[in-house]
Amino acid sequence: QSVLTQPPSVSGAPGQRVTISCTGSSSNIGAGYDVHWYQQLPGTAPKLLIYGNSNRPSGVPDRFSGSKSGSSASLAITGLQAEDEADYYCQSYDSSLKVFGGGTKLTVL
Amino acid sequence: QVQLQESGPGLVKPSQTLSLTCTVSGGSISSDDNYWSWIRQPPGKGLEWIGHIYYNGNTYYNPSLKSRVTISVDRSKMHFSLRLNSVTAADTAVYYCAREYLGGNWFDPWGQGTLVTVSS
Repeated sequence: QSVLTQPPSVSGAPGQRVTISCTGSSSNIGAGYDVHWYQQLPGTAPKLLIYGNSNRPSGVPDRFSGSKSGSSASLAITGLQAEDEADYYCQSYDSSLKVFGGGTKLTVL
Repeated sequence: QVQLQESGPGLVKPSQTLSLTCTVSGGSISSDDNYWSWIRQPPGKGLEWIGHIYYNGNTYYNPSLKSRVTISVDRSKMHFSLRLNSVTAADTAVYYCAREYLGGNWFDPWGQGTLVTVSS
């Protein structure tokens, strides 16, 4: 079991909005530690998508946004595109460890 | 910009030692605002942080692997390395190296990853 809990899968049609949740606890997200998000396209390495809860690195489209509240965080993707089909992972900090969610597979219908 | 590239054997026998190197290019391995990390991903599964090293050699390891892991750095060669001993089939994974920002603990960029299979 992962320290951070994500839904195994989500799906949406092109153009729609989807959200991916990341639920932690009082020892990680709830303790105030930041949440980061990664996109892993099939057969490739993870790529930083959101850092510090809601910041986008240069080059990441503004269709991707992140938020955090209490012990949970969310990644939202608007204007869904076929190229967004990938695995998405959240990451935070817990007891001196960097911890990841189990990953969510996004399917674009 | 900084790029990372993993290298090492793709096949290791059970009970032996897995050894990988990550070469850093396009930036300084002696930067004081980041760590250098190893992360692994078993086939079809999620990500596990293995540990990191600072440019001065200070390390921190995931307690679940601490007894078997050593991470070292060679600044003159612009690379850092991972050694994992007494491997079993459970250590079969894609191994990634990544730069970890010291202030925020996020990973960027990542190397392309290298698959290491533990099998006789």
